[in-house]
Amino acid sequence: DAGVTQSPTHLIKTRGQQVTLRCSPKSGHDTVSWYQQALGQGPQFIFQYYEEEERQRGNFPDRFSGHQFPNYSSELNVNALLLGDSALYLCASSLKAAKNIQYFGAGTRLSVL
Amino acid sequence: AQSVAQPEDQVNVAEGNPLTVKCTYSVSGNPYLFWYVQYPNRGLQFLLKYITGDNLVKGSYGFEAEFNKSQTSFHLKKPSALVSDSALYFCAVRDYGDDKIIFGKGTRLHILP
Repeated sequence: DAGVTQSPTHLIKTRGQQVTLRCSPKSGHDTVSWYQQALGQGPQFIFQYYEEEERQRGNFPDRFSGHQFPNYSSELNVNALLLGDSALYLCASSLKAAKNIQYFGAGTRLSVL
Repeated sequence: AQSVAQPEDQVNVAEGNPLTVKCTYSVSGNPYLFWYVQYPNRGLQFLLKYITGDNLVKGSYGFEAEFNKSQTSFHLKKPSALVSDSALYFCAVRDYGDDKIIFGKGTRLHILP
């Protein structure tokens, strides 16, 4: 049973570019949440997707957007990259009905130069 | 608004000694509380959760946590530390009826051989 998988593992971009990160949830899970973990900090909630819709959003600008597909996989898009967007981006999946444990992927390390 | 505080950036414990990693929280309703562990270049791994019921919760790898409503605390404990327990530990909280999880800034645990 595969856990949460994220791609790519590492990414280097320059300021102003756009990036897309991908996440496949744990088998049987229908909800995907995205987090940003800056160096030395705890993960910060970006948003959550369920039934292909954004259900809740944290304090992140509109440059951060997402999508969930019918197979429950998800993408995180960041436009007009800033140096401060450099971080580890974590995807977590869960079962909406259970409303409990979120299972995390290994993350995508984004460096903006 | 929900919040989590982990007052110690780092905790050092000798191998074989008991360990405690502190966490306090603030929510408007009933809390869902979690502990996660992060090893270098890895995502977060779930350790244990408190939803309701017994105040002492047992989790993975011999860890346990005690929920104290009056002190709004959820400290992580282990009776006998192992060198392999050295990692970054995150406390997290979710308010009942809310989907986002709020993480503390993390506590680095060093187990000294």
